[in-house]
Amino acid sequence: NAGVTQTPKFQVLKTGQSMTLQCAQDMNHNSMYWYRQDPGMGLRLIYYSASEGTTDKGEVPNGYNVSRLNKREFSLRLESAAPSQTSVYFCASSSAMGAEAFFGQGTRLTVV
Amino acid sequence: GENVEQHPSTLSVQEGDSAVIKCTYSDSASNYFPWYKQELGKRPQLIIDIRSNVGEKKDQRIAVTLNKTAKHFSLHITETQPEDSAVYFCAADSWGKLQFGAGTQVVVTP
Repeated sequence: NAGVTQTPKFQVLKTGQSMTLQCAQDMNHNSMYWYRQDPGMGLRLIYYSASEGTTDKGEVPNGYNVSRLNKREFSLRLESAAPSQTSVYFCASSSAMGAEAFFGQGTRLTVV
Repeated sequence: GENVEQHPSTLSVQEGDSAVIKCTYSDSASNYFPWYKQELGKRPQLIIDIRSNVGEKKDQRIAVTLNKTAKHFSLHITETQPEDSAVYFCAADSWGKLQFGAGTQVVVTP
C-alpha cells in the first residue's frame, strides 16, 4: 500500500543541469499535482493534471514541464535548473476534483 | 485565478486554549475547502474538509466554518495539546485546481 511515491528524495544539481522528478500513485486516482514548498510561502501549485492526457498550469509553471505518462505517473522536468528552483517538491493525487489529496514524501532539491 | 490568503502566519497558544486560523479565497467557483497539517519534515495530511453546501463541520476537537458569501473559512482547534504543534494549511479547489494558503505555524506551549 505505497500511496504516492516520489523519486528521488534528495538531489543536488548544478545551475543549467536538467533533471526529471518522478511521481507514481497506486490508488487509481484521476487527478495529480506538483507543488513546490518554500519557507513562508506555503505550497504553490506548479502544474496539475485532472485526468490522463490533460495537464494545466498552476501558479508558478515557469521553468518547468510535466508529462502525464499514464494514469499512474506524473513527472516534472526542469530543463535548465536555476538556484531559484531550490525547494522541496511534493507530488499529490486525488480521486477527482473536490476530493482529498494524498501527498508523496517530497523531494528536496538544491541547485548550486 | 484563485488566490488563498491565510492568517495568522504564526500562532502561539497555551495548552488547553483554543486556536483559530482564518482563510479567504477569491474564486467564487471554489467549492471544496480542505485543511492540512504538516509536521516538521513530513508530508501534509488532511485533517478536515468542507464543501460549499455546508456551513460548518466538526470532528472531535477540530471544526471548520465556511461563509461562501464573504468567501472566508476558518479552522478551530479546541483544548489544544502539544501534539497539535505543526504547520496548518488551508486550501481551495476550483474545478480541480487545488491551491493552498501560505500556512500557519502553531506552537502549543505546556
